[in-house]
Amino acid sequence: EVQLVESGGGIIQPGGSLRLSCAASGFTFRDYWMHWVRQAPGTGLVWVGRITAEGSGANYADSVKGRFTISRDNAKNMVYLQMNSLRLEDTAVYYCAKIPVGVVSALDVWGQGTMVTVSS
Amino acid sequence: QSALTQPASVSGSPGQSISLSCTGTSSDVGGYNYVSWYQHHPGKAPKLLIYEATNRPSGVSDRFSGSKSGNTASLTITGLQAEDEADYYCYSFTSGHTYVFGTGTKVTV
Repeated sequence: EVQLVESGGGIIQPGGSLRLSCAASGFTFRDYWMHWVRQAPGTGLVWVGRITAEGSGANYADSVKGRFTISRDNAKNMVYLQMNSLRLEDTAVYYCAKIPVGVVSALDVWGQGTMVTVSS
Repeated sequence: QSALTQPASVSGSPGQSISLSCTGTSSDVGGYNYVSWYQHHPGKAPKLLIYEATNRPSGVSDRFSGSKSGNTASLTITGLQAEDEADYYCYSFTSGHTYVFGTGTKVTV
């Protein structure tokens, strides 16, 4: 079964750091670009960023650029979201998702999400 | 990276058809056929319904269809069912090699 499972969420103070993890299984992880998406309470889905299959490049939303970093370990079938200088507005459920090979815009498998709460 | 514009809510009766719009710019929706649609029931993972504007993944009901004209993409749901009550989001690749979601539409059956 193709599956993504996020972990690492929790409560963190403003200015703090947190690393989210996403464990992949059931598919050849190293072949797929991976994305992170978030949803703040009561609001819509927002794209956070993506990383290439090899991990050689990443793109980010302006709201997180310079603060968040996406990385991956293809040997461990893991993708990570390092979040630094956290702000109250980063409070959200964070999802990881994969895109099929050869497709540009189609997040076909999603995790269940992990909640991050930034609060003093 | 402004969110794509979707109507906040759309409602319909069982069996009816509804259409959800998603309006962007020539830098996103209008510039590429890289638009997808997602159904999101609260507390669950979003589900891909349509990709590359008109393509339906295997396993998705043919009651869902997508189209695009200029800067506006649309999702049509025919034969509306109670289980279709959810939030729906469009999603587009952009000229800046980033992505943007729509503001979301709450569908009430």
